[in-house]
Amino acid sequence: EVQLVESGGGVVKPGGSLRLSCAASGFSSSSYRMNWVRQAPGKGLEWVSSISSSATYIYYADSVKGRFTISRDNAKNSLYLQMNSLRAEDTALYYCARDRVGSMAYDYWGQGTLVTVSS
Amino acid sequence: QSVLTQPPSASGTPGQRVTISCSGSRSNIGSNTVNWYQQLPGTAPKLLIYSNDQRPSGVPDRFSGSKSGTSASLAISGLRSEDEADYYCAAWDDSLNGRGVFGGGTKLTVL
Repeated sequence: EVQLVESGGGVVKPGGSLRLSCAASGFSSSSYRMNWVRQAPGKGLEWVSSISSSATYIYYADSVKGRFTISRDNAKNSLYLQMNSLRAEDTALYYCARDRVGSMAYDYWGQGTLVTVSS
Repeated sequence: QSVLTQPPSASGTPGQRVTISCSGSRSNIGSNTVNWYQQLPGTAPKLLIYSNDQRPSGVPDRFSGSKSGTSASLAISGLRSEDEADYYCAAWDDSLNGRGVFGGGTKLTVL
């Protein structure tokens, strides 16, 4: 059974850092583009970042570029998001998702991990 | 303001057919395929339609997708109470070195 399990969320002060992890099981994540999507409380979905199967191609939303870093460890079947210089507007539920065809067709999602940026 | 434009709300009665539109531009819908997601309250989004009109296994054929030029549509026929949810369109955008874009979402109410 395919599963994605996020962890690492929590409460952090503005300007602080957090590292999110996403553990994949039931498939080899090394064959897929992996992604982070977030959803602020009561708001819609926002794409955050994508990383190709071999980490050759990496993309970021303008809102996080220069502050967030996506990475992966295919040997550990894991995806990461290092978040620095956090702002109140980064408060959201962060989902990791698998892209089945490489064009935002996210066929499996985790349950999300909540990041709250507050003083 | 989302790159892809959806109506904020839609509604229908059980058994009806409803459509949700998604408008974009040449750099996203005009150049790439469109995907649709359903999000029930308190749950992660679920892939409903991918590559414009393909249904993942397990998605009822009441759900269908189409694309024309820089717009796309999701149609739900034989509306059921359990279809009440938020629906999002999504596509890759080739501008700004590449980025993913979602529509703002449409809240579907089954009356």
